[in-house]
Amino acid sequence: RKEVEQDPGPFNVPEGATVAFNCTYSNSASQSFFWYRQDCRKEPKLLMSVYSSGNEDGRFTAQLNRASQYISLLIRDSKLSDSATYLCVVINNYQLIWGAGTKLIIKP
Amino acid sequence: EADIYQTPRYLVIGTGKKITLECSQTMGHDKMYWYQQDPGMELHLIHYSYGVNSTEKGDLSSESTVSRIRTEHFPLTLESARPSHTSQYLCASSAMQGPSYNEQFFGPGTRLTVL
Repeated sequence: RKEVEQDPGPFNVPEGATVAFNCTYSNSASQSFFWYRQDCRKEPKLLMSVYSSGNEDGRFTAQLNRASQYISLLIRDSKLSDSATYLCVVINNYQLIWGAGTKLIIKP
Repeated sequence: EADIYQTPRYLVIGTGKKITLECSQTMGHDKMYWYQQDPGMELHLIHYSYGVNSTEKGDLSSESTVSRIRTEHFPLTLESARPSHTSQYLCASSAMQGPSYNEQFFGPGTRLTVL
C-alpha cells in the first residue's frame, strides 16, 4: 500500500458544480499536509496548507480527518480554470510524500 | 512568483552526451530537491539537499548526480545520457523554518529528450 493515495480520476464535472476529493495517508504520525495544483506540462504550485481545524480560501476548503487518516479538498462553484491535477503532500518525519494526483476536468 | 530558475527549459541531445541541468533559487532556502516526472505521471524524488555540502538520494533510483557547493545552486548532472532519461526534471526548494516551512517552490522544469 502506498503511503499517500489519491483517486487518479479524471473527475469530469460541469462548470458551477461542487466537487470534492480525498487523499488518504497511512502514517498516523504524519505532521503536515498540503494541496498543490499542477496544470498540464507545468510545475506544481501550492494551493493551500491543511490545518487541523480546516481552512478555507475563497471557493476552496481543505479539511483534515486524523481519525480516518485523510485530507479533503472541496471546490465550490467550479470554473473552467480549475481544470488541473491536484496533488496532496504529507510530511512524515520531515520527509515530503507526494500523492500521484487527481485529475479534474471542468466542462462548460 | 517563486524565485527559482531552471536552465535549459528544453534540451534535445544524443545518447552518450554529458549534460548538466541548472537550478538556482534566490530565496535563501536551505532545502532543495530534484524530481523526475513523465507526462501525466506522478512526481518522483531523485535527489535532495539540506544545505551546502549535503546531498541525498531520493526514492527513485537515478543515474544522475548532484552537488551543492552554494546555497542557491543545485545542479544535476548526467554523465552519459540515454533515451530512458527522457523526462521532465523539476527543481524545488523550501525553507527549513518560518511561516512557509516545508512549502515547496518549483522551478519551471527542464524537458529533456535523449535521442
